[in-house]
Formats: sequence, structure tokens, C-alpha cells
Amino acid sequence: GQQLNQSPQSMFIQEGEDVSMNCTSSSIFNTWLWYKQDPGEGPVLLIALYKAGELTSNGRLTAQFGITRKDSFLNISASIPSDVGIYFCAGPDNYGQNFVFGPGTRLSVLP
Amino acid sequence: IAGITQAPTSQILAAGRRMTLRCTQDMRHNAMYWYRQDLGLGLRLIHYSNTAGTTGKGEVPDGYSVSRANTDDFPLTLASAVPSQTSVYFCASARSRNQPQHFGDGTRLSIL
Repeated sequence: GQQLNQSPQSMFIQEGEDVSMNCTSSSIFNTWLWYKQDPGEGPVLLIALYKAGELTSNGRLTAQFGITRKDSFLNISASIPSDVGIYFCAGPDNYGQNFVFGPGTRLSVLP
Repeated sequence: IAGITQAPTSQILAAGRRMTLRCTQDMRHNAMYWYRQDLGLGLRLIHYSNTAGTTGKGEVPDGYSVSRANTDDFPLTLASAVPSQTSVYFCASARSRNQPQHFGDGTRLSIL
């Protein structure tokens, strides 16, 4: 079945540092979604991308739809403690019915 | 506040018992979904419904059933719970299929 890979699996950074993470797919996507999950809560949509090459920002977060349409990137600038959580990417399944989710990148921010 | 409500928040259940997890949304979304989240495996789709009156199987449907009698409610039933069904269960909804999904806060289920 369709698979998404996220890198890195986890990361520890100092407060104030910038963060980069990526997501790759085994097939071409026409949509990429990025979610964040805080501990004990459900995932919350951060950014949606619909076009190859698209670069979209949401505050300190910036996501890009890769040119190959098989990858996407999420950057967080000047990290703060509340950025802690798990970041998931998602893309449409092979039938265009539902979304498949990556395994997540767990972010820890050290003060 | 508009959104998705899941109940119960958590539950401990004996193996073999029947259990229904409830999910209600007030956003008039057509599509609804049930996922389970397990460590290292991310979110896996159990069942989905593109519109009231229809349901479909996801990646891991065995041991679970759903119904969609109206737009707002999408209950998930475990007919005879087994320990491998210990997980965190998330309900989600979207305006339509292929649209970004909004998630509830989850039900933490432990089967002993």
C-alpha cells in the first residue's frame, strides 16, 4: 500500500533554533497536509498544500510542496516550548478517497 | 464551540466485552473517519463514511463496525474486544472526502 516516510523520527532542539523536517511518498501526490499533535490531544491542521512548488506560511511555520510531487517540507523558525509535539504529514491514498498519514516527527524543545 | 466530540475520554474494558465509541460533530461535515493511533505506527484508518447512509473499510477494519444514520454521528463498535485493540482512537470529519480533516481529542481504550 501507499507509504509515507518522515524524517527525522525525533529531534531535540534548543529554544530559538530553526527546525526542518520532511516527508516523502512512494507515489505522486496532488495534496500535502501537515498536522501537529499536542500531548493528549488530537492532530490539528497546520498547513495544506495543493500545487507542486507551492510555499505556504502559517506564522513561524512554512511548508513547501516538492517539485517532484513526492515530497514536502516543513520548517519552523525560532522554536518556542509550545512547538513541542508530533508533526504528521498526510497525502491522498491511491484511490483518492482518504488520506494516509506518515509516522510522525516528534519534536522536543529544550529551554 | 463547533467541533468534534468523542466519548468516553478513556475506558478500561475486559476482553470479550462489547464497546461503542461515540463521535459527534456539529460542523455539518459530510465525511467522517475513525483512526487508531499506536506507537510507531502513526494513524491508521479503520472505517470511513463519505456521507450519511454510507460507510467504507479502511486499512484496519477487522473487529470493528460503524454506522452513519445521520450527518452528525459516527459511532464505532467493537463487538468482542481483544487486547490488540488497546489503542488511542480518533474520530475526524471533513466537508467532503479529499478535504483536510478535523480531529477529536481521542478515546484511550485499554483492553485487559
